Amino acid sequence: GENVEQHPSTLSVQEGDSAVIKCTYSDSASNYFPWYKQELGKRPQLIIDIRSNVGEKKDQRIAVTLNKTAKHFSLHITETQPEDSAVYFCAASEGNNDMRFGAGTRLTVKP
Amino acid sequence: ETGVTQSPTHLIKTRGQQVTLRCSSQSGHNTVSWYQQALGQGPQFIFQYYREEENGRGNFPPRFSGLQFPNYSSELNVNALELDDSALYLCASSPGRGWYEQYFGPGTRLTVT
Repeated sequence: GENVEQHPSTLSVQEGDSAVIKCTYSDSASNYFPWYKQELGKRPQLIIDIRSNVGEKKDQRIAVTLNKTAKHFSLHITETQPEDSAVYFCAASEGNNDMRFGAGTRLTVKP
Repeated sequence: ETGVTQSPTHLIKTRGQQVTLRCSSQSGHNTVSWYQQALGQGPQFIFQYYREEENGRGNFPPRFSGLQFPNYSSELNVNALELDDSALYLCASSPGRGWYEQYFGPGTRLTVT
């Protein structure tokens, strides 16, 4: 089955700086990689996703890169703002069988 | 467009009891997935339903069972509750089979005493 490791577990940055969160997966058949943002007491919110036939995807200040050979993918947030503070989860799925989440990264953006 | 809703919001049960949690999928979505999220951890996949059929199951025992109705709403049933079942239970819906463009509900907080 799939295992997803996420690093770092906590990340603190100054407002305006960039933040990078990295995940690795074990199942080479994985083909879909979403990222979720979860604020305290709220539901996970899909912020960006990437499929295995694409190496990079960008949406305003957020980007995701995928390296299939190395089996890792990363979330990049530029020009961070205090409202970006939350727990971020990566996930990986192979077809319809299973979806595995990383343990999460608590991002704190200091004003 | 209506988002994913879940009921109840909170629930307290005693060990050994049974519980039913409910989820209404987002309008236009025919797939519902259920997750268990323990405090401080990522969601763990329980199972998924696509057009009323189970479409994948995670590493959970048979006392976790589910159902999807013709209107694509869904139930999660847990029998013989254990203390470790205390968690936030999330459902998520997506517009097709699998996990693409999956949107979560607010969750049901289950406490087992």
